[in-house]
Amino acid sequence: RKEVEQDPGPFNVPEGATVAFNCTYSNSASQSFFWYRQDCRKEPKLLMSVYSSGNEDGRFTAQLNRASQYISLLIRDSKLSDSATYLCVVNTGSYIPTFGRGTSLIVHP
Amino acid sequence: DTAVSQTPKYLVTQMGNDKSIKCEQNLGHDTMYWYKQDSKKFLKIMFSYNNKELIINETVPNRFSPKSPDKAHLNLHINSLELGDSAVYFCASSQGDELYIQYFGAGTRLSVL
Repeated sequence: RKEVEQDPGPFNVPEGATVAFNCTYSNSASQSFFWYRQDCRKEPKLLMSVYSSGNEDGRFTAQLNRASQYISLLIRDSKLSDSATYLCVVNTGSYIPTFGRGTSLIVHP
Repeated sequence: DTAVSQTPKYLVTQMGNDKSIKCEQNLGHDTMYWYKQDSKKFLKIMFSYNNKELIINETVPNRFSPKSPDKAHLNLHINSLELGDSAVYFCASSQGDELYIQYFGAGTRLSVL
């Protein structure tokens, strides 16, 4: 099993839709979790950290499920500008951040 | 001012050549990284330096040699380029106990012909 797994998608949704992605991790000792966003032909940028209690930033909500070893990202009221690849990053307890392969989101009019 | 800048942005070269990519960060961070993102978009760490000292060296051919003259700079030299080296190379930096909050450069798109 890969350390960090994501469904590559693409998730194709209309504007205004709610969409959710999951990211599963294999190391139960993983300590911290993050979502990054990468636009086409651009660099990854931190979107949000994922806290144990869950956290929300505007239309974006991140959740952690330690029992099932996954994190999720929920986007409400999708905008065209949300189209991007969403990468999850897991701290597996080493200096090496482990990136998932990313989930591609396409929001269409 | 760009926080993490890398040059060149594009690099097209022939197999067998030697090339370098430069990276500089003005964030005052003490840790810098090189990542490779292949055609399948998989982002994989290659090296990490903390205060000019190598702390991570993943399974990377020794044709790749990083150099950190100071904690604000991390350069990547590649010898004897191969077709499989074609990828986007990202430099990144982070600070202290927030290692996983990383700031990336815009990437260098390397094409080996």
